[in-house]
Amino acid sequence: EDQVTQSPEALRLQEGESSSLNCSYTVSGLRGLFWYRQDPGKGPEFLFTLYSAGEEKEKERLKATLTKKESFLHITAPKPEDSATYLCAVQAPGLTGGGNKLTFGTGTQLKVEL
Amino acid sequence: DAEITQSPRHKITETGRQVTLACHQTWNHNNMFWYRQDLGHGLRLIHYSYGVQDTNKGEVSDGYSVSRSNTEDLPLTLESAASSQTSVYFCASSESFSGPQHFGDGTRLSIL
Repeated sequence: EDQVTQSPEALRLQEGESSSLNCSYTVSGLRGLFWYRQDPGKGPEFLFTLYSAGEEKEKERLKATLTKKESFLHITAPKPEDSATYLCAVQAPGLTGGGNKLTFGTGTQLKVEL
Repeated sequence: DAEITQSPRHKITETGRQVTLACHQTWNHNNMFWYRQDLGHGLRLIHYSYGVQDTNKGEVSDGYSVSRSNTEDLPLTLESAASSQTSVYFCASSESFSGPQHFGDGTRLSIL
């Protein structure tokens, strides 16, 4: 069974204080790892897809990296508007008709304070 | 801009009633999905569809059904609502099997 564990569950940072969020996974036949941002009362918003170990993606203050066992979301010099819950999901075979199943972690709730 | 619209955003109903949640997407995606999100659990797949007239069960499909009569809509029906189905429901769509899924803003459903 595919599993995704995110840590920490919650993280409080001061503005400008860089840190990393972790996503550990076990999966049979990884076909991609996704990072999403979720604001309160909203749906998950797609950030990145990583397909193979060693791959990195960047967007503004966020950088996602991938190894064979985990992914990190690095946040450099965060601002209050980066406050949100960050979700990680792994994609693997498992749906009828050849589709890929997404297994989500429970997220890291990030709060960035002035 | 393309989007996914879910309605209603909030609903309160009673156990035993039939409830239908709407999902409409303008991405023109063939693949559509329904998830539920509960505290302590990641998003869990209820049903999915690869195209018109196609529907498939996900990991938590008991008590739910979907129908796909056109590309844009995938309504989710709770046949006889139960308190265990109190949750936040999200609809999503994707262009391909391997591409990212795009989510609506959810329906918060309370069953009393």
